[in-house]
Amino acid sequence: GDSVTQMEGPVTLSEEAFLTINCTYTATGYPSLFWYVQYPGEGLQLLLKATKADDKGSNKGFEATYRKETTSFHLEKGSVQVSDSAVYFCALPISSNTGKLIFGQGTTLQVKP
Amino acid sequence: DGGITQSPKYLFRKEGQNVTLSCEQNLNHDAMYWYRQDPGQGLRLIYYSQIVNDFQKGDIAEGYSVSREKKESFPLTVTSAQKNPTAFYLCASSIVSGGLEAFFGQGTRLTVV
Repeated sequence: GDSVTQMEGPVTLSEEAFLTINCTYTATGYPSLFWYVQYPGEGLQLLLKATKADDKGSNKGFEATYRKETTSFHLEKGSVQVSDSAVYFCALPISSNTGKLIFGQGTTLQVKP
Repeated sequence: DGGITQSPKYLFRKEGQNVTLSCEQNLNHDAMYWYRQDPGQGLRLIYYSQIVNDFQKGDIAEGYSVSREKKESFPLTVTSAQKNPTAFYLCASSIVSGGLEAFFGQGTRLTVV
């Protein structure tokens, strides 16, 4: 069945460091892929998305490229800030006609000043 | 502004009691979902509904019930049959057609006392 695997956290970085959070998936066909972010005590917010192979999603300095060859959708940011400290979830739709999502286990990012 | 509203933000339940979590959306989305989040884990789907007066079980429906009498509302009842209800509950909605992102509420933290 479809699945999403994220790198385990927590990830601790200094401010202005480069961030990579790995995400790989197994799925039938080429579904859309999403990154969500969850700040402490809050719900999830869509960070970025890519709807087809080779698409690059970007938002707030974060980027992720949909790579069908490696079935990956790694999240990157060139220079993290303390305010980026949050939990990041990779997700994909289970099927094309229900809207249900499956999520990775989440990766906690802590950025220190 | 359009969005999803969950209430209450914090909820305390005594053992043996049923409690109902509210979820309202004004995005005109057909589909709504309930997820459960436990510490250090991803989100697990409890129930979902693609249309008024219809809903389906997700991966962990035991001990929960829902209703969908209005398009805007999808309340979740945590019954006394749910043995470990303490968790963070997230409601989401989306357009039914596949490949589109879900929008989330701010969550309800339920604690059994």
